[in-house]
Amino acid sequence: KQEVTQIPAALSVPEGENLVLNCSFTDSAIYNLQWFRQDPGKGLTSLLLIQSSQREQTSGRLNASLDKSSGRSTLYIAASQPGDSATYLCAVSPLEGGSQGNLIFGKGTKLSVKP
Amino acid sequence: ETGVTQTPRHLVMGMTNKKSLKCEQHLGHNAMYWYKQSAKKPLELMFVYNFKEQTENNSVPSRFSPECPNSSHLFLHLHTLQPEDSALYLCASSQDVAGGPGETQYFGPGTRLLVL
Repeated sequence: KQEVTQIPAALSVPEGENLVLNCSFTDSAIYNLQWFRQDPGKGLTSLLLIQSSQREQTSGRLNASLDKSSGRSTLYIAASQPGDSATYLCAVSPLEGGSQGNLIFGKGTKLSVKP
Repeated sequence: ETGVTQTPRHLVMGMTNKKSLKCEQHLGHNAMYWYKQSAKKPLELMFVYNFKEQTENNSVPSRFSPECPNSSHLFLHLHTLQPEDSALYLCASSQDVAGGPGETQYFGPGTRLLVL
């Protein structure tokens, strides 16, 4: 059974720091991996989607990498800002059941960027 | 209205009540989803609808009853819930659930449910 783990569960950094969020998954048979952002009491916003054949994706100050063979992904945030404060969720689309839109989520990393 | 909307945003109900959650997507998508987000647990997929047909029921108790009258609307009917059902219920949509490899799901803001 696919399991997704995110470390750390919470992270607090001063503004301007570069930071890395980690995600690991137990089964490498995936279609893709996505990183989402969730603000308090809000829904999820997709940040980056990495296909299983890709190694990384970039969007602005965000860079996500994928090492499928080792079951790991990282989300790198450069020059963090207070507006980056949110919970970041990692999710994989497993090959088995993936065609039915089944995403397996981690519990998330709650990020706080202090001014 | 754009994107995915959900109503109500907050709901308090007793265990004997019957209520319904509503989701509407304005994106022209064909697939819609219900997720449950409980405290300290990962987001859990509950139901998937593709072209109004239910394609996934992730072992959800029968006290949760989904309804998808058309591709733009999705309901979750609730009856005789338990306190442990208190959670944030999120609706999502995607262009086509069969397009797994590159498919992104768009989420609504959720309904915060409290069962007393």
